[in-house]
Amino acid sequence: RKEVEQDPGPFNVPEGATVAFNCTYSNSASQSFFWYRQDCRKEPKLLMSVYSSGNEDGRFTAQLNRASQYISLLIRDSKLSDSATYLCVVNPNYGQNFVFGPGTRLSVLP
Amino acid sequence: DTGVSQNPRHKITKRGQNVTFRCDPISEHNRLYWYRQTLGQGPEFLTYFQNEAQLEKSRLLSDRFSAERPKGSFSTLEIQRTEQGDSAMYLCASSLTGQGTEAFFGQGTRLTVV
Repeated sequence: RKEVEQDPGPFNVPEGATVAFNCTYSNSASQSFFWYRQDCRKEPKLLMSVYSSGNEDGRFTAQLNRASQYISLLIRDSKLSDSATYLCVVNPNYGQNFVFGPGTRLSVLP
Repeated sequence: DTGVSQNPRHKITKRGQNVTFRCDPISEHNRLYWYRQTLGQGPEFLTYFQNEAQLEKSRLLSDRFSAERPKGSFSTLEIQRTEQGDSAMYLCASSLTGQGTEAFFGQGTRLTVV
């Protein structure tokens, strides 16, 4: 089983739609969680950290469920500019590297 | 520009040649990471440094790969006797120490082995 798993998509949604991505991780001792965004042929950039209590940043909401070992990202009122690959990232407790999922590709259509 | 800097941005090399990439992290970051990414995949961890010490290496890092961070600042990643399977984007990232701190990425070096 891979350490971090995501549905690769693609998710094709119309502008204004709400879309949700899930991610599961295998190491129950993992401590830090993030969502990164990666545009085509660009480097990954931090979208938001994920906190135990859940957190929101504008149209984006991240949730963490430690018991089920999954992380979610909700995007409301999708914009064309949200089209990108969304990478789930976990910082395991046993090591210090960041472990990336394969990414979920989102296309927001006009 | 105070972000993570990588060079070259692109490298085309013939199979069997050696290549070296450089990464300059954000100046106050003591951790530096190397990742490899191929099309349609997430970044795969290769190795990381805390200051000048190389603390972890992935099994993906074969004997042909070596990384250094001699003074705890910039880092180099060398690939010897390149193979076509080495063609990928090589990403460098840096971070501060501590849980919850995020990694900041450079723009990557795209390697093509022909």
